[in-house]
Amino acid sequence: DAGVIQSPRHEVTEMGQEVTLRCKPISGHDYLFWYRQTMMRGLELLIYFNNNVPIDDSGMPEDRFSAKMPNASFSTLKIQPSEPRDSAVYFCASSSGTGNSPLHFGNGTRLTVT
Amino acid sequence: QQPVQSPQAVILREGEDAVINCSSSKALYSVHWYRQKHGEAPVFLMILLKGGEQKGHEKISASFNEKKQQSSLYLTASQLSYSGTYFCGTEYRSGGYQKVTFGTGTKLQVIP
Repeated sequence: DAGVIQSPRHEVTEMGQEVTLRCKPISGHDYLFWYRQTMMRGLELLIYFNNNVPIDDSGMPEDRFSAKMPNASFSTLKIQPSEPRDSAVYFCASSSGTGNSPLHFGNGTRLTVT
Repeated sequence: QQPVQSPQAVILREGEDAVINCSSSKALYSVHWYRQKHGEAPVFLMILLKGGEQKGHEKISASFNEKKQQSSLYLTASQLSYSGTYFCGTEYRSGGYQKVTFGTGTKLQVIP
């Protein structure tokens, strides 16, 4: 099992540009989560999906953020336009959703907006 | 809805013990514990379901007090490899869906 795969690992962009982060969950997992990690706020849940359907996006900070899951093996998190305060590490995680199922995290995307 | 962890940071000498606490203001379905090394992804340690159970993983164990919505992680006879940031993930089941939220974590440093 390859685990959760995220791309790119690092992204440097200028303020105002569009940024797209990608995630491939573990095959067979029904849940996909997007988290943002910063020193000040720790790991923040942005949005999560169940069977490709967004269940809760209350953590998405602004309308500049959007996420999609067009199929069971792919999800994107898009920021348009990006701002310097969006700089953070973005993690994708998946789980099977059963009673004692842990989250499996990808290696994250370190985003720097200048 | 983010859980509250304490302490925020702790420094231990090899062989010493530590306790990390996690509390929630909402009724929990379960509590997860993860460890994150610098520059890496969080790695799963253990999960505790409702029922006040206690689980162990090598010399790391945890308990879950359902009534108080609190969990504690116990690290005994700490090793250098225990260094990292520990996160508790509080799981809620809303509408039957699994929702896991994390706090700011506890940074643990073990020194020789």
